[in-house]
Amino acid sequence: DTAVSQTPKYLVTQMGNDKSIKCEQNLGHDTMYWYKQDSKKFLKIMFSYNNKELIINETVPNRFSPKSPDKAHLNLHINSLELGDSAVYFCASSQDRGLAITGELFFGEGSRLTVL
Amino acid sequence: GQQLNQSPQSMFIQEGEDVSMNCTSSSIFNTWLWYKQDPGEGPVLLIALYKAGELTSNGRLTAQFGITRKDSFLNISASIPSDVGIYFCAGLPSGAGSYQLTFGKGTKLSVIP
Repeated sequence: DTAVSQTPKYLVTQMGNDKSIKCEQNLGHDTMYWYKQDSKKFLKIMFSYNNKELIINETVPNRFSPKSPDKAHLNLHINSLELGDSAVYFCASSQDRGLAITGELFFGEGSRLTVL
Repeated sequence: GQQLNQSPQSMFIQEGEDVSMNCTSSSIFNTWLWYKQDPGEGPVLLIALYKAGELTSNGRLTAQFGITRKDSFLNISASIPSDVGIYFCAGLPSGAGSYQLTFGKGTKLSVIP
């Protein structure tokens, strides 16, 4: 059973299009994240949700909108895609309650977005 | 935000050699973690360190939490081809949530058979 699964794994699209990436975790964690990994492999946090509530929103263009319908799901919608959005987007989850704040993140396999 | 300096940026080694990499910070962390990313996959946690001076092993991997709480080291002994990948250090300040985890820029390891 995959702990953190995201779809699609690959996405090739034209500039200006709108696309979504979905993420689901079956670990019972209460915190989920979206990270962006650029071509230099640098991991940058974009958003974090705790129990469906947005708790971190880094400097990310408004074209990126996360949505968490429940604590097991966190989706990412991107409007008006630009060339610079090409990257690998990782979903992750962690348990962040009481003494369970450990920094231990469980990552999905990534969604490679290519904007042409 | 906080920055972690991870070195070296990349390494090419012969199979069987030992590997060392490290991570330093200008501020104090209460937790240090090491992740590995295989090609085409997401990062996976290797070792977590929660106490200054702590030395923890996971098979051929050994990591240490520096006494100053501003650095951490990861050693891999007797490297094998499947050790290839990118190794990330990550640090967590005291009392922070996991969403405040700071990642280093990674060390890309290549193992020559």
